[in-house]
Amino acid sequence: ETGVTQSPTHLIKTRGQQVTLRCSSQSGHNTVSWYQQALGQGPQFIFQYYREEENGRGNFPPRFSGLQFPNYSSELNVNALELDDSALYLCASSLVASGRRAYNEQFFGPGTRLTVL
Amino acid sequence: RKEVEQDPGPFNVPEGATVAFNCTYSNSASQSFFWYRQDCRKEPKLLMSVYSSGNEDGRFTAQLNRASQYISLLIRDSKLSDSATYLCVVNTGRRALTFGSGTRLQVQP
Repeated sequence: ETGVTQSPTHLIKTRGQQVTLRCSSQSGHNTVSWYQQALGQGPQFIFQYYREEENGRGNFPPRFSGLQFPNYSSELNVNALELDDSALYLCASSLVASGRRAYNEQFFGPGTRLTVL
Repeated sequence: RKEVEQDPGPFNVPEGATVAFNCTYSNSASQSFFWYRQDCRKEPKLLMSVYSSGNEDGRFTAQLNRASQYISLLIRDSKLSDSATYLCVVNTGRRALTFGSGTRLQVQP
C-alpha cells in the first residue's frame, strides 16, 4: 500500500451538482497531483498542488478547482457536474524538493469513482 | 495526435509466452519514462522506470529509443498474475505524468 488515501470510494451525483473529493498524501510528501481516468482511457492530469498553491494544470475547465491544506492533504472540487465527468479520480502524492525540476515518483491512492446521472 | 500512443489490445497469450508492448511519444522534451501496471478497477502502480540503456527486472525488460521516441516492454514466461492493463507513461519535467490509454494483457491457462 502507498499510504495515500482517498474518500469517498464511490459517489453518485446528478448533472449540475457539485462534488468534493478528498486525498490524504503519504507521510513525508508535500505535493499532490490529481488525475481523471475515464473508462478505457489512461489517467489525465488535472492539476498539481505544492505548498498550498496550484503548480501546473492540464486541459480542464475552471469548474475543476482544488485546495491543499497545511498538512498537505488536498481536495478536488467539481462544479456544475456533466455526464462526461463520470470517471475514476486519482490523487498521487510525491516529495518535491524546493528548486528541483527533476521528476519525483508519484504514489497513487485507490481513487474515487464518480458517477454522474 | 495523442502525446503517448499504445496499441489497446487486448493481447491474449498462453501461460509461458513472451509478449511485447510498444509505445510512442510525441514530445521530444520528455525526460522520464515508465511502465505502470493497472489491475481492473484499481489504481496504477509503478512497474518499472525505463532507461536509454535498457533495463531488466526479473521477467520484465524495458527499452527506450529516444531517437525514434519509442518505448517497449517485454514480458517473458507470462504468468496468470500478469493479466492487467499496462500503461506507458512519460514525464516532460512539468511534474505531471502523461499516460497512454493502456494495453490490456490477458494470460490464459
